[in-house]
Amino acid sequence: DAGVIQSPRHEVTEMGQEVTLRCKPISGHNSLFWYRQTMMRGLELLIYFNNNVPIDDSGMPEDRFSAKMPNASFSTLKIQPSEPRDSAVYFCASSQGQGNTEAFFGQGTRLTVV
Amino acid sequence: AQSVTQPDIHITVSEGASLELRCNYSYGATPYLFWYVQSPGQGLQLLLKYFSGDTLVQGIKGFEAEFKRSQSSFNLRKPSVHWSDAAEYFCAVGPTGFQKLVFGTGTRLLVSP
Repeated sequence: DAGVIQSPRHEVTEMGQEVTLRCKPISGHNSLFWYRQTMMRGLELLIYFNNNVPIDDSGMPEDRFSAKMPNASFSTLKIQPSEPRDSAVYFCASSQGQGNTEAFFGQGTRLTVV
Repeated sequence: AQSVTQPDIHITVSEGASLELRCNYSYGATPYLFWYVQSPGQGLQLLLKYFSGDTLVQGIKGFEAEFKRSQSSFNLRKPSVHWSDAAEYFCAVGPTGFQKLVFGTGTRLLVSP
């Protein structure tokens, strides 16, 4: 398997624009996680899905952020409108089953909002 | 709420020397504990995990970690460091396993010749 695939790897956008980050989990995995990594706050869990259903979105910073998982093989994280403080590396991870199975991480999307 | 502290931001170790990275956690119940490694420009890779049982856990790449409940610690060790071990290391705690992981701020390991 190719692992968790995220696209794009790098994104530069202007403040106020909409940004969409994409994630393809490992085939057969039914849990998907979105994390954000910044120098100031480190790695934070934004939201996670189980069987395509959002289970916990308490980490989503504000209403400008939204995440969807329309099917088992695809998820998006959208920021609208984007702000410079959203600049970070966004990671997607997936796992099979419940909490005791390893979560595998993608290589991340580095977002820069100017 | 659970939290993780990694007191060392940077550590430099000579190649071939032993390594210990410190991790302290705060959690009210028996925690699930993890160590991840992140190489530059890469995602996170799981080194090892502790769920229950033997408090000394073995991981990949020759790493091990010891869970000490009395000290609320889960320190990562390696007897002999290789230059390829240079990376950033994250300790994490999860109340239900891999879901809702809370990460420490990371320790950057530099390996000198």
